[in-house]
Amino acid sequence: DQQVKQNSPSLSVQEGRISILNCDYTNSMFDYFLWYKKYPAEGPTFLISISSIKDKNEDGRFTVFLNKSAKHLSLHIVPSQPGDSAVYFCAASETGANNLFFGTGTRLTVIP
Amino acid sequence: DVKVTQSSRYLVKRTGEKVFLECVQDMDHENMFWYRQDPGLGLRLIYFSYDVKMKEKGDIPEGYSVSREKKERFSLILESASTNQTSMYLCASSSSGTNTDTQYFGPGTRLTVL
Repeated sequence: DQQVKQNSPSLSVQEGRISILNCDYTNSMFDYFLWYKKYPAEGPTFLISISSIKDKNEDGRFTVFLNKSAKHLSLHIVPSQPGDSAVYFCAASETGANNLFFGTGTRLTVIP
Repeated sequence: DVKVTQSSRYLVKRTGEKVFLECVQDMDHENMFWYRQDPGLGLRLIYFSYDVKMKEKGDIPEGYSVSREKKERFSLILESASTNQTSMYLCASSSSGTNTDTQYFGPGTRLTVL
């Protein structure tokens, strides 16, 4: 059973606008969340993370929001650029465990 | 820069063959991981290792084994390849035993089993 879900397989956004990628999780023991970006023919690269003690973490154009009560996190990209076009994976983990649980990914296309 | 390399980008094997996928990292990381990525299923953990000669099963270890004889190298072995093992295989490494440390991924090996 998928413990981390990304319900939108794809998203298209105009260049300069905001991209919002969503992720839901079911395991209330998860306390650390990450976003990875993956270009074709490359491995995923770490983008941004957030601990459950925070509800927001910002790094340049990328902001991750965490809503623990809703078991939901989102990644905001502002402004979106064509180079942001990639597949984005949400991942979650629990303190003390070695596993990362990944979502199924959302393919973002930023249209010039 | 952290570098994780995988021995092959593309591999085609026949059912029943023994398959070795090699992964090497150059950052002296303690932890290494093998995932497979399938459409609609995301990345699923096969095995991981937190030290030389140590290994632990992930979510889907059946049909796979691993070997870690040196700190920098982590091998995934398909004892008898089957068509349902056709997938993208990704290796990753990280520097400590908790998941608050970033995992760094290799470019992946796309394996096709005929």
